[in-house]
Amino acid sequence: GDSVTQMEGPVTLSEEAFLTINCTYTATGYPSLFWYVQYPGEGLQLLLKATKADDKGSNKGFEATYRKETTSFHLEKGSVQVSDSAVYFCALRPNNAGNMLTFGGGTRLMVKP
Amino acid sequence: DVKVTQSSRYLVKRTGEKVFLECVQDMDHENMFWYRQDPGLGLRLIYFSYDVKMKEKGDIPEGYSVSREKKERFSLILESASTNQTSMYLCASSTGGLAGRTDTQYFGPGTRLTVL
Repeated sequence: GDSVTQMEGPVTLSEEAFLTINCTYTATGYPSLFWYVQYPGEGLQLLLKATKADDKGSNKGFEATYRKETTSFHLEKGSVQVSDSAVYFCALRPNNAGNMLTFGGGTRLMVKP
Repeated sequence: DVKVTQSSRYLVKRTGEKVFLECVQDMDHENMFWYRQDPGLGLRLIYFSYDVKMKEKGDIPEGYSVSREKKERFSLILESASTNQTSMYLCASSTGGLAGRTDTQYFGPGTRLTVL
């Protein structure tokens, strides 16, 4: 079945450091790919998405590129802030399932001043 | 803004109790979801509803049931709570209906349930 694998956390960085959170997936066809973020005490919210190969999703300084050849959707940010401390979830929607999302295990990011 | 609210942020129950978790959304969304979130396992879908009185099992429905009598409200029921159901429960909603293709799910803040 479809699955999403994320790097295990926590990831601890100093402010202004470069961030990469790895995400790879297994799915048939052409899924849509997402990053959701969960700030402390809150529910998940959509951070960015990409719906076809080579698309780049971006939001709030975060970027991720849909790489079909490596089945990856790594999240990057050039300069993290303390306010980026959160749990990040990679997810996919299979191309034959309109509403279901499959989530990865989540990666906790801690940014220190 | 879409708002998804859950009835409790924290709940403590005893083994064998019947537990109701309530979720309400205010955007007239067709779809509603219940997930549980456990460290290292991410979010796992318990049940999904695409319309009033309609439901579909997710990946881990055992020990749970759901009710959707009104479009805006989706309830998760633990018929006889057990300690392995201690978890964070997240509700979400989205547009689309059964045949729809929708990208964004909107989440509530979660209910942290502890079963003693």
